[in-house]
This record gives sequence, C-alpha cells and structure tokens, in this order.
Amino acid sequence: NAGVTQTPKFRILKIGQSMTLQCTQDMNHNYMYWYRQDPGMGLKLIYYSVGAGITDKGEVPNGYNVSRSTTEDFPLRLELAAPSQTSVYFCASSQTVNEQFFGPGTRLTVL
Amino acid sequence: AQRVTQPEKLLSVFKGAPVELKCNYSYSGSPELFWYVQYSRQRLQLLLRHISRESIKGFTADLNKGETSFHLKKPFAQEEDSAMYYCALLGSNYKLTFGKGTLLTVNP
Repeated sequence: NAGVTQTPKFRILKIGQSMTLQCTQDMNHNYMYWYRQDPGMGLKLIYYSVGAGITDKGEVPNGYNVSRSTTEDFPLRLELAAPSQTSVYFCASSQTVNEQFFGPGTRLTVL
Repeated sequence: AQRVTQPEKLLSVFKGAPVELKCNYSYSGSPELFWYVQYSRQRLQLLLRHISRESIKGFTADLNKGETSFHLKKPFAQEEDSAMYYCALLGSNYKLTFGKGTLLTVNP
C-alpha cells in the first residue's frame, strides 16, 4: 500500500494563479482531510470529507475548494492564489476518527 | 471552542534524561487526545492515544481531566526521539485540533 500520496511535492505560484493539489489514498478510508501548516502555528484544518460526495468546511476554508467524487481522491483547489496561502499542505485519511494517516505534504509558495 | 496549548516551542535534553512534553486543552465535552510525531524527513504519524493507555517507544501520556492536561513523558530520552511532537484533540464532527508543536532535541 502506498498509503496517502500527494502531488506535487513543491510548487511556486504567482498571485492570482490557480492550481489543484492532488491527494489519493489506497486504504479505502471514508474520512479525508486537508490541513495547512504555517511555521510555528501547528496544523489547521481546511476542509474534510466523511465519504464520497460529502465535504465540509474546517477552520480555515476561505480561498479553497474541495470535491470528493470517489473514495480514493480528495483534491484541493486554489482559485486565486494569494501570498497568505504560502504554506505546507497535508492531506490525511482515516477509517475511524481515531487515527489519521498523513501524506508527505506539498510545499506551496505564492509570489 | 476547543483549543490545544503546547507551551514549549523547543525542548532540549541530554540522552538518558527524563523528558516531559506539556499539553493542555480546553474542551467542553469529553476529550479524546492524541500525540502525533514527525521525525526529520518523514510524514506526521500517530504516536499514541489516551484511550489506548499504551506505551509506545517508551512514551506514555496520562489524561488529567482536573488539570486538563495530557503531558507526554519518557523516563530516559534517546537520540532517535528527536522530532516534532504535536498534541491533538478530537472534538465534534471528526475534527482534530492540533497544538503548535514542540521540537524535541535529544543531545548525545
């Protein structure tokens, strides 16, 4: 099992550009999550999903969108990139609410 | 609102010394608490959860509801314990709230 995979690993965007961060898990987990990690700030939940077709906002959803058309995939969309979205993004999945499995992260810089 | 506080950004100890990473929480319901760890160049992973009452890699953590704390302890630190440690609280709607993390360095 590859677990949770994320692409790309690194990306530099210009202000106003858009992009999609990909997240895939092969563990057949129902729950999936997107977090951002800013230096010294811990992880903050952006969006989460409890199953295919169901998504909900987390703590910091503004500027992002998600979809969950399949159990495996949970892409995160940035429509108009802003410098405040410079961060490391982590995707995670879980079968139950008790243990989340994390991807390796995507480092995004918006200039 | 739920909140997790890790008061120490950095903690440095010598090999063989005891280590305690502090975690305090604020939550109106019955909390479920976790410690996650991120070793250098590895992904974040679960270390232990309070409901399991287990010891992982020599680490233990006891939930103290009176003091609203969930401190992580190890009697004899090893160099391989050097990592970033996050305390996390599972609240409503399956959401995990993370503390800001403590970077533990174990010196030889």
